[in-house]
Amino acid sequence: ETGVTQTPRHLVMGMTNKKSLKCEQHLGHNAMYWYKQSAKKPLELMFVYSLEERVENNSVPSRFSPECPNSSHLFLHLHTLQPEDSALYLCASSQVLTSGKYNEQFFGPGTRLTVL
Amino acid sequence: RKEVEQDPGPFNVPEGATVAFNCTYSNSASQSFFWYRQDCRKEPKLLMSVYSSGNEDGRFTAQLNRASQYISLLIRDSKLSDSATYLCVVNRQVNDYKLSFGAGTTVTVRA
Repeated sequence: ETGVTQTPRHLVMGMTNKKSLKCEQHLGHNAMYWYKQSAKKPLELMFVYSLEERVENNSVPSRFSPECPNSSHLFLHLHTLQPEDSALYLCASSQVLTSGKYNEQFFGPGTRLTVL
Repeated sequence: RKEVEQDPGPFNVPEGATVAFNCTYSNSASQSFFWYRQDCRKEPKLLMSVYSSGNEDGRFTAQLNRASQYISLLIRDSKLSDSATYLCVVNRQVNDYKLSFGAGTTVTVRA
């Protein structure tokens, strides 16, 4: 596998379900991101992990819970979601340099989530 | 004011035409600028970075105007495969690796 992979690619869940999204990057990057993309809206940054430390929550509802066990893996745990949470959830990674500069972000194919 | 604003389009152009569009950003401290391309129901992919002096990559030319806080993308000799949504992406401030995305400009190239 190369690049950034995400599973599952599609997910339909009820409001009482608990599910998890998985992301894995094979690029040796040290930062990973979760984004939400709703129709006709800009990507919304949900969480950032840099060097395995979460650095931003960005006012995301607590029904979304991220987990980053190491620099290559990122999870988004979902519970008691609402229909308005239906969207494309994208994972990305990048390399943050010691100078503070960084390279571009590479995205996974996304998980298309539908909450019934 | 939105951090990054784009004309949503769509820009409908014939093959071989030139199409250009801008993106404005609100944070004057932004240092890094990118154009990403997103095909329907796919993930965004980096098209090109935008440098202060402007840069060209084949049929694509990107320009930065810091005084007016906008970047532009020009596509020459449009191909059918150029049909996509183009996302303007800006970092929020100096040395900040978190990016702000525009909602995208849709380009449709017709035969």
